[in-house]
Amino acid sequence: EPEVTQTPSHQVTQMGQEVILRCVPISNHLYFYWYRQILGQKVEFLVSFYNNEISEKSEIFDDQFSVERPDGSNFTLKIRSTKLEDSAMYFCASSVPGQGGKLFFGSGTQLSVL
Amino acid sequence: KQEVTQIPAALSVPEGENLVLNCSFTDSAIYNLQWFRQDPGKGLTSLLLIQSSQREQTSGRLNASLDKSSGRSTLYIAASQPGDSATYLCAVTRQAAGNKLTFGGGTRVLVKP
Repeated sequence: EPEVTQTPSHQVTQMGQEVILRCVPISNHLYFYWYRQILGQKVEFLVSFYNNEISEKSEIFDDQFSVERPDGSNFTLKIRSTKLEDSAMYFCASSVPGQGGKLFFGSGTQLSVL
Repeated sequence: KQEVTQIPAALSVPEGENLVLNCSFTDSAIYNLQWFRQDPGKGLTSLLLIQSSQREQTSGRLNASLDKSSGRSTLYIAASQPGDSATYLCAVTRQAAGNKLTFGGGTRVLVKP
């Protein structure tokens, strides 16, 4: 079964550094998403992306965050200057019309900001 | 603003017992509701998706019901097994595609052999 792939599975960085989290969505999917889950908290929506632009973003997704689909297969989340509170599990997801809105999630990248 | 609540937060049962997990949401204008399973430190595995026009969905030992007007869904897991131990999350969305999911806090299930 096709799956969403995320790399790396773990990322450790120093506060203030830039990080890029990478995702390869399912190949025929058209909508792409990033979610995050801070330890012990709910999974939170960050951003959705369609037709090479952001379709919706949450209040969490401020100017420190950006997303890109650089080459038609990868979907990336960049955090420009990481803060301690950015430490979380980041999930990529994708979906396609005609499946009732079902989202397929990757296995996540655990980001630790020291 | 949509709020999703799951009760109880944790549940421990002996193997073989049926599990009943509850999910409630404040805004009944949903498009669908999904149940996910999350193992510690892992991603989200979709279990069942119920469209707003449906009352229930079944897959194997899993059955999910939806009462949209009262803002509730219930996930039933029959004849629980130790392998069912995980956190179960429900999430709702307003639109068919491109729209965010709003998640509940999850129910952490432990099935004791």
